[in-house]
Amino acid sequence: DSGVTQTPKHLITATGQRVTLRCSPRSGDLSVYWYQQSLDQGLQFLIQYYNGEERAKGNILERFSAQQFPDLHSELNLSSLELGDSALYFCASSVAFRQSGYTFGSGTRLTVV
Amino acid sequence: QQPVQSPQAVILREGEDAVINCSSSKALYSVHWYRQKHGEAPVFLMILLKGGEQKGHEKISASFNEKKQQSSLYLTASQLSYSGTYFCGSTQGGSEKLVFGKGTKLTVNP
Repeated sequence: DSGVTQTPKHLITATGQRVTLRCSPRSGDLSVYWYQQSLDQGLQFLIQYYNGEERAKGNILERFSAQQFPDLHSELNLSSLELGDSALYFCASSVAFRQSGYTFGSGTRLTVV
Repeated sequence: QQPVQSPQAVILREGEDAVINCSSSKALYSVHWYRQKHGEAPVFLMILLKGGEQKGHEKISASFNEKKQQSSLYLTASQLSYSGTYFCGSTQGGSEKLVFGKGTKLTVNP
């Protein structure tokens, strides 16, 4: 157990639907990062939060949004889902940013049918 | 700017050494290295910072050449457990985005 908790572990949903992925960072970590990993693709950076504030954004689609709450947990919302959104979504956390390694959660596998 | 990793794949026998390279066309602030086994989450190996500071928690070594904007990960006396895909990630300048390369698949055979 890495200390980063992601729920749910698996999600199967239909095209056009909306889902919410949840992440609880490791105790003491203030930064949360979201990454998307598709088959044969590397880890694509989506978005980063630090202590509730958005710090950096990658090529995140407009259909996707995220937030970090006062208790530091984070949610990634994916809407108007398409088949191509099927992927493994990882959340990671770190104590600070840029100077700390990241601890990844076990991921949420999203399948859009 | 996505860093470029080489080689894309390498096959070793137990006990052999390997080097994985990571390069960028832009000035690097930091380089991270992670290992991911099939179906699992990436695991942090090491971070190298501009200025020479290194932080890691496994018995691996790495180098960071700021002038050449390159980093190399050195795996010596490989074990079966070293098998997996190795990713380097880099942050550049004032950006806090950690962008990963496409990965290097390492297979260690008995």
